Amino acid sequence: AQRVTQPEKLLSVFKGAPVELKCNYSYSGSPELFWYVQYSRQRLQLLLRHISRESIKGFTADLNKGETSFHLKKPFAQEEDSAMYYCALSGSTGFQKLVFGTGTRLLVSP
Amino acid sequence: EPEVTQTPSHQVTQMGQEVILRCVPISNHLYFYWYRQILGQKVEFLVSFYNNEISEKSEIFDDQFSVERPDGSNFTLKIRSTKLEDSAMYFCASSTRDRAIYNEQFFGPGTRLTVL
Repeated sequence: AQRVTQPEKLLSVFKGAPVELKCNYSYSGSPELFWYVQYSRQRLQLLLRHISRESIKGFTADLNKGETSFHLKKPFAQEEDSAMYYCALSGSTGFQKLVFGTGTRLLVSP
Repeated sequence: EPEVTQTPSHQVTQMGQEVILRCVPISNHLYFYWYRQILGQKVEFLVSFYNNEISEKSEIFDDQFSVERPDGSNFTLKIRSTKLEDSAMYFCASSTRDRAIYNEQFFGPGTRLTVL
């Protein structure tokens, strides 16, 4: 079964604090993992994907196949990071549906 | 930068009525998707569409649902006889051939469907 689990509905931190949004997955095979972000009143947009190994807006995520995790991290949170974050997976062969987690709302307070 | 657009932004309908949700994918994209998000729940896949036919559909996408690409730009989702439980935010997404390898899907802003 394909499943993405984000255990935290809400994560509240102060500006400058480190952030880790947890994501665990279940998939038989080699999935592709993504983080999507939705800022207030905006559309879902891709933040980063494991295959590109990029750092976007200071965020990084490492795929840990042993722990089936893809946690999103940022060393110093900014107020503009406040948003809804969704972890998602798809098959690796291209043109596959996305399976989303339930999302974590990140609130960064001044 | 090109974006996926959806109309209307909010649709209110009576139970049993037909609704058509419209999407204009990014112009050079070839793969199209519909997802929905019931309030407080996760974003769920409904259907994917390529080369004028359905590629994959979920269990949610039953006989009450249909999709169509009536012309070169629009991609529609029709619900024939709406139920209360169809109330949700419906998202359209599209992707190109190249980026489909990485499944980078570009999402529209969504249509909020309210069934009374």
